[in-house]
Amino acid sequence: ETGVTQSPTHLIKTRGQQVTLRCSSQSGHNTVSWYQQALGQGPQFIFQYYREEENGRGNFPPRFSGLQFPNYSSELNVNALELDDSALYLCASSLFGGARPEQYFGPGTRLTVT
Amino acid sequence: QKEVEQNSGPLSVPEGAIASLNCTYSDRGSQSFFWYRQYSGKSPELIMFIYSNGDKEDGRFTAQLNKASQYVSLLIRDSQPSDSATYLCAVTLSGGYNKLIFGAGTRLAVHP
Repeated sequence: ETGVTQSPTHLIKTRGQQVTLRCSSQSGHNTVSWYQQALGQGPQFIFQYYREEENGRGNFPPRFSGLQFPNYSSELNVNALELDDSALYLCASSLFGGARPEQYFGPGTRLTVT
Repeated sequence: QKEVEQNSGPLSVPEGAIASLNCTYSDRGSQSFFWYRQYSGKSPELIMFIYSNGDKEDGRFTAQLNKASQYVSLLIRDSQPSDSATYLCAVTLSGGYNKLIFGAGTRLAVHP
C-alpha cells in the first residue's frame, strides 16, 4: 500500500460528457502527477501539480485540466469525452525538491467512454 | 525512435531461474531510472530506482545502469510464479519537473 488513494475505482461515461477524477497524495508528499494508461501501453504523462499550480504538461489537449488543493490532493477533469479517452487513469505522489525522486501510484480509475 | 524501449515479451522463465529484463533510452539527459511491476488490472508498483552507473541490489532484484550505452536492466533472481507480471521501465530527464517517461513494458511469465 502506497497511501495514495483515487476515486472512483471505475466509471462509465458517454462521449461528449465531462468527468472528474480525484486523488489524495501520500502523507509527506507535495506533488501529484497524472498519467493515462491505454491497454497494452505504458503510462503517458498528462500533467503535474505542485504548490497548487500546473508544473509541467505532456502532449494532451486543453480539455484535460486539473487542480491541486492546499492539502495536496488533486483532481483531473476531462471535458468533451472521446472514445479514445477510455483508459486507466493513474495519479502518482512524490516529494518535489526532495532527495528521493520516486513516484508512488494510486490504484487508478478505470474510465470507459461509450 | 521511442524514448524508452522494452521488448514486449512474453519472457518465459522456469521457477528458480534468473529473469533478465532490458530497457534502452534515447535521451542522454535522462537522470533517474525506475522499474515498476504491474499485475494485470492493477496499478504500477515501484520495485527499484537507480541513478548512478553500476549495480544496485535489493533482495532478489538487481538494477544495472550503463549510461554510456543508454541501457538499464533488471535481474530477478530465484524467480517465482508470483513475479509473473508486466515490468515497466521509466526514466526522468534532468532539469525541471520529474515526469516519468515509460516504456511499453515487458511481460514476464514464470512457470513452475
